[in-house]
Amino acid sequence: EVQLLESGGGLVQPGGSLRLSCAASGITFSTYDMSWVRQAPGKGLEWVSTITSSGSNTYYPDSVKGRFTISRDNSKNTVYLQMNGLRAEDTALYYCATLKLRMGTDYWGQGTLVTVSS
Amino acid sequence: DVVMTQSPLSLPVTLGQPASISCRSSQSLVHSDGNADLNWFQQRPGQSPRRLIYEVSNRDSGVPDRFSGSGSGTDFTLKITRVEAGDVGIYYCMQGSHWPRTFGQGTTVEIK
Repeated sequence: EVQLLESGGGLVQPGGSLRLSCAASGITFSTYDMSWVRQAPGKGLEWVSTITSSGSNTYYPDSVKGRFTISRDNSKNTVYLQMNGLRAEDTALYYCATLKLRMGTDYWGQGTLVTVSS
Repeated sequence: DVVMTQSPLSLPVTLGQPASISCRSSQSLVHSDGNADLNWFQQRPGQSPRRLIYEVSNRDSGVPDRFSGSGSGTDFTLKITRVEAGDVGIYYCMQGSHWPRTFGQGTTVEIK
């Protein structure tokens, strides 16, 4: 059974930092590009970041560029999201996902909640 | 950025009746290889999103054939031939042809 298990969410003050982790099992992790997608309370989906399978390329929208860093450790089947300079508008449920574009199963985790508030 | 515009945003449907959701992109999603990376996702209440359709019209494994995707260029459609109670939720289109990846606003399907 495939599992993507996110962790690391919590309550943080504006300007603070958090590191999210997503541990994958049941897939050949090193062959998948991995992404983070977030969903603010009661709102839609927003793509946050993608890292290629080898880790050689990373992508971000302008809303998080320079503040968030995605990385991965293929020996641990884990992808990370380092979030610095957090703002109230970063409050959301953060999903780890394969966000696959072509043929093959697409996988999503259950999400980890990040709340930015003083 | 490519803006994805869905309509309608709310779709009340009678059980057993068809439903159709439109998704329009502000730029063409067609790659040089002729394919377009347009996905449809379903998010049931309290659940994580689930991909239904990839490359415009390809159904994911386990997705009922009541769901179909069509379109080209900048204009795409998700159709449900006969809505069932389990289809209630929010449906999102997402383009993967350009960076940054962008989602539509979501269409809420509810039973009348």
